[in-house]
Amino acid sequence: AQTVTQSQPEMSVQEAETVTLSCTYDTSESDYYLFWYKQPPSRQMILVIRQEAYKQQNATENRFSVNFQKAAKSFSLKISDSQLGDAAMYFCAAVYSNYQLIWGAGTKLIIKP
Amino acid sequence: DAGVTQSPTHLIKTRGQHVTLRCSPISGHKSVSWYQQVLGQGPQFIFQYYEKEERGRGNFPDRFSARQFPNYSSELNVNALLLGDSALYLCASSLEVLSYNEQFFGPGTRLTVL
Repeated sequence: AQTVTQSQPEMSVQEAETVTLSCTYDTSESDYYLFWYKQPPSRQMILVIRQEAYKQQNATENRFSVNFQKAAKSFSLKISDSQLGDAAMYFCAAVYSNYQLIWGAGTKLIIKP
Repeated sequence: DAGVTQSPTHLIKTRGQHVTLRCSPISGHKSVSWYQQVLGQGPQFIFQYYEKEERGRGNFPDRFSARQFPNYSSELNVNALLLGDSALYLCASSLEVLSYNEQFFGPGTRLTVL
């Protein structure tokens, strides 16, 4: 079965520090897409960053970057210079050939001022 | 431009009833996907529609059905409601079929089944 696992239910970080959220996935396919989505409290889900599996270069979007380890099936999110507005639920997700978006259980990120 | 809109925002039903949830995608987007998000959990994929055809279906019973209209808006129908159907139902649209394309999410419909 194709799965996405987030092993950290909750993480906390001091404002301006760096935090890494973990995600692993399981698939036998070679071509797929990986995403990190952010869901702030009572607000809409928004895309943070995405990665194509065939690209070895790690994606970067401003303060957000990923560490994509295809062999290990790992897709972690690094947030640098954490800000209070980064506080949210973060979901890792994957799209495979069956056009389904499979989600992890989420990690609640707390930013300490 | 307007984002993805969903109606209603909140809904209370009793067991055994049926419900219809509606979604309007961003203008120009041809794909609509539906997700169920139970409180404290990640979303679960229900359906994807692209160009009015079902392109993906998650592991949900036949009580769940959907359709997409010529204007690309979509409806999600749930029959014979169970307590366990209580959740936030999210709709998302994208330009093309689910792949690398970014999905844009609506605010969701909060369904409570009593």
